[in-house]
Amino acid sequence: DTGVSQDPRHKITKRGQNVTFRCDPISEHNRLYWYRQTLGQGPEFLTYFQNEAQLEKSRLLSDRFSAERPKGSFSTLEIQRTEQGDSAMYLCASSLGGLGTGELFFGEGSRLTVL
Amino acid sequence: AQTVTQSQPEMSVQEAETVTLSCTYDTSESDYYLFWYKQPPSRQMILVIRQEAYKQQNATENRFSVNFQKAAKSFSLKISDSQLGDAAMYFCAYRRGGDDKIIFGKGTRLHILP
Repeated sequence: DTGVSQDPRHKITKRGQNVTFRCDPISEHNRLYWYRQTLGQGPEFLTYFQNEAQLEKSRLLSDRFSAERPKGSFSTLEIQRTEQGDSAMYLCASSLGGLGTGELFFGEGSRLTVL
Repeated sequence: AQTVTQSQPEMSVQEAETVTLSCTYDTSESDYYLFWYKQPPSRQMILVIRQEAYKQQNATENRFSVNFQKAAKSFSLKISDSQLGDAAMYFCAYRRGGDDKIIFGKGTRLHILP
């Protein structure tokens, strides 16, 4: 399968713990995006990378959130000192460079539950 | 700031019938792209159809077509001959030309009645 993969698919943690999600994009895609989706809402943009450079971060991304994409391949999204409000589905997507199509290819998401 | 509004949280349609999902957006840009994405239950989101704002012709993809009304900032999705596999959340989305992020609406849950 050469699609976008995310790990873990489900994570249950206690408030105050740190969690890390991993995303492996489609191999030839140089753009990688993180979105957050809560129940009944559409995906909300968090941040995106072009290769290893993080080009934009949403105001939603508090200082407890950090994302990296070393070497422009996979990406990690870490949430420190989790809060119950962080419970959501975290979606990763990738796309080819260039602004012509803009099609995002999504993974199945990582669902976070903070108790 | 650009916004995308989907006013129908849920809709139902009889199998084989036609259904139209509504979407409006707000932008002051002239260069932008509009999308409809489908998110089946417990599966990843996939692109259904895309429309470039500079194109007057409405996009079509098999049973899926859009009604793009640029002046009204309206972008509805028509699904013809609805099938059980069309049951999903449908998200309308917007991307400004020159920007890389896509902004999504809140979605419409579509039920297909057998």
